[in-house]
Amino acid sequence: SYELTQLPSVSVSPGQAASITCSGDKLGEKLACWYQKRPGQSPVLVIYQDDKRPSGIPERFSGAKSGNTATLTISGTQAMDEADYYCQAWDSSTVVFGGGTKLTVL
Amino acid sequence: QLQLQESGPGLVKPSETLSLTCTVSGGSINSKSYYGAWVRQPPGKGLEWIGSIYYSGITYFNPSLESRITMSVDKSKNQFSLRLSSVTAADTAVYYCARLGATSGKYFFDSWGQGTLVTVSS
Repeated sequence: SYELTQLPSVSVSPGQAASITCSGDKLGEKLACWYQKRPGQSPVLVIYQDDKRPSGIPERFSGAKSGNTATLTISGTQAMDEADYYCQAWDSSTVVFGGGTKLTVL
Repeated sequence: QLQLQESGPGLVKPSETLSLTCTVSGGSINSKSYYGAWVRQPPGKGLEWIGSIYYSGITYFNPSLESRITMSVDKSKNQFSLRLSSVTAADTAVYYCARLGATSGKYFFDSWGQGTLVTVSS
């Protein structure tokens, strides 16, 4: 079955940029999206179609893809951005999530 | 504004069947552009897709759960449902219903329910 790989944790200082990566076989041929998941809250879509930002999502959230790795970047990270982030793709009519990355804002 | 709301028992006994319903408001489930879907998150673990159902009743399931899943849609009530049989403690999780795009390039979740905790315990 298809798999997406994320690092378990990333730390960033307030005001700095945080990068969270997601890799998968032939991910370059698929579209990736990203969700923010805070404890006790429902996931929120922050990036779709690799690099598009839904309305209402701050401009500091951006997405990119190079080869088989998708990257979510949060510029000027704020304390409120501390959360788990999940990438997701679609493969053979199934939804695949990455294992999630815990972003800590120190 | 589209809203999704999960409902169902919060406690299920081992070996029994978990049943949840998602009620959609602010939009029709009878859409060619979307699937209804279920996603769960066990305590301390990541998100796991369970399955998706189209308005016509066509379903797609997570291969790891497929043998235990039944999903259905009730267009008259604007609802879709999940049944997971032979549950164990490993099925304890927060269960979310969500809307999943059904057209090329739109296979992402753009609306989510608030989630409901289901505990499997005797």
